[in-house]
Amino acid sequence: DAKTTQPTSMDCAEGRAANLPCNHSTISGNEYVYWYRQIHSQGPQYIIHGLKNNETNEMASLIITEDRKSSTLILPHATLRDTAVYYCIVRPRTLNFGNEKLTFGTGTRLTIIP
Amino acid sequence: DGGITQSPKYLFRKEGQNVTLSCEQNLNHDAMYWYRQDPGQGLRLIYYSQIVNDFQKGDIAEGYSVSREKKESFPLTVTSAQKNPTAFYLCASSPRTGAAYGYTFGSGTRLTVV
Repeated sequence: DAKTTQPTSMDCAEGRAANLPCNHSTISGNEYVYWYRQIHSQGPQYIIHGLKNNETNEMASLIITEDRKSSTLILPHATLRDTAVYYCIVRPRTLNFGNEKLTFGTGTRLTIIP
Repeated sequence: DGGITQSPKYLFRKEGQNVTLSCEQNLNHDAMYWYRQDPGQGLRLIYYSQIVNDFQKGDIAEGYSVSREKKESFPLTVTSAQKNPTAFYLCASSPRTGAAYGYTFGSGTRLTVV
């Protein structure tokens, strides 16, 4: 999986938009950007993914730069329950049999402040 | 509801003992994975299996063993050869195509060596 760089930690006020950046300057043309989050002492949870267009779902929005070398995950109205570690991962959408494993970095620890 | 069940949630082991962590899924997923997470660290892959009766070593397989006799089950044994087994262990599964949005994680087992 291609390497990603994320800030170690961030704070955001409750009710404001949380913007989490991710740098993936070596991303390949067939690689998607995925975001997962891990709430303390739980398993990671899928949030959103995208290739080159901006994406939005009920949880978040994903903004990918035109050159695809970086992206931003946006939680539009952060709540205390959004406090978690957020992981940015880049890899092909599907892989040949035998290469499906998912690689996680250390992510960004997001703390929502009341 | 479909999902992954890990048991037990907390496990204590004496030094020199083997211990087995359970992971069961009813998602009809072909692939299953075991990850280890240490405090403040990302997830590291221990073993993974794409089909029944087959599995591959991940990045940190030494001191661990697995079996995949049934599609639904992928137990992990932490042997006495594992030098530092105290950690949070996560099991995951995915469809065989490996689409990264399709990963489902269990809630984890926290193993402590006493």
